[in-house]
Amino acid sequence: KAGVTQTPRYLIKTRGQQVTLSCSPISGHRSVSWYQQTPGQGLQFLFEYFSETQRNKGNFPGRFSGRQFSNSRSEMNVSTLELGDSALYLCASSASGTGELFFGEGSRLTVL
Amino acid sequence: DAKTTQPNSMESNEEEPVHLPCNHSTISGTDYIHWYRQLPSQGPEYVIHGLTSNVNNRMASLAIAEDRKSSTLILHRATLRDAAVYYCILKTRAIQGAQKLVFGQGTRLTINP
Repeated sequence: KAGVTQTPRYLIKTRGQQVTLSCSPISGHRSVSWYQQTPGQGLQFLFEYFSETQRNKGNFPGRFSGRQFSNSRSEMNVSTLELGDSALYLCASSASGTGELFFGEGSRLTVL
Repeated sequence: DAKTTQPNSMESNEEEPVHLPCNHSTISGTDYIHWYRQLPSQGPEYVIHGLTSNVNNRMASLAIAEDRKSSTLILHRATLRDAAVYYCILKTRAIQGAQKLVFGQGTRLTINP
């Protein structure tokens, strides 16, 4: 059974640009959540999607957005990138959103 | 959101038991206690979770205090592959049945050969 797949694994952007990250959950999993990991703030919850609906959102500015498609794949978008957005972005999937989370290896974003 | 407090780092020897503590004094009645670990250059990996009773699985045991304000993750025989950052997390139920993970700062566990 394939795990959670995140693309791209690494990317470099400049301030003011936008970026889209993709996450393919484990087959059959309907819940996808996103987390940001930085050395200073640690792991922080961004948002969770279930059946194409955002169910919960963390304390991030509106520049951070996401969506989920009918096949449960999810994307997150960060607009008007700032230096502080440099981080590892992790996606996790679960069967229902109430159980064990399976994390991908993350997308490492560097903003110059 | 309810918070957890963990020691920044711990050290143990290979093949010895390891007890990783976590304080969560503001836990609510519906919060589950989850433990995840993160090995270098990998995403977090689920270890164990519980609500009120002690739990065991093939990876570890979870001992939960009677008042639920603290818990301890127990690795019965540590190996070098157990060296990781261990996160104690309260799984908080939010609106519409959704749940999110509130991560603590984690404990960096070092295992000495």
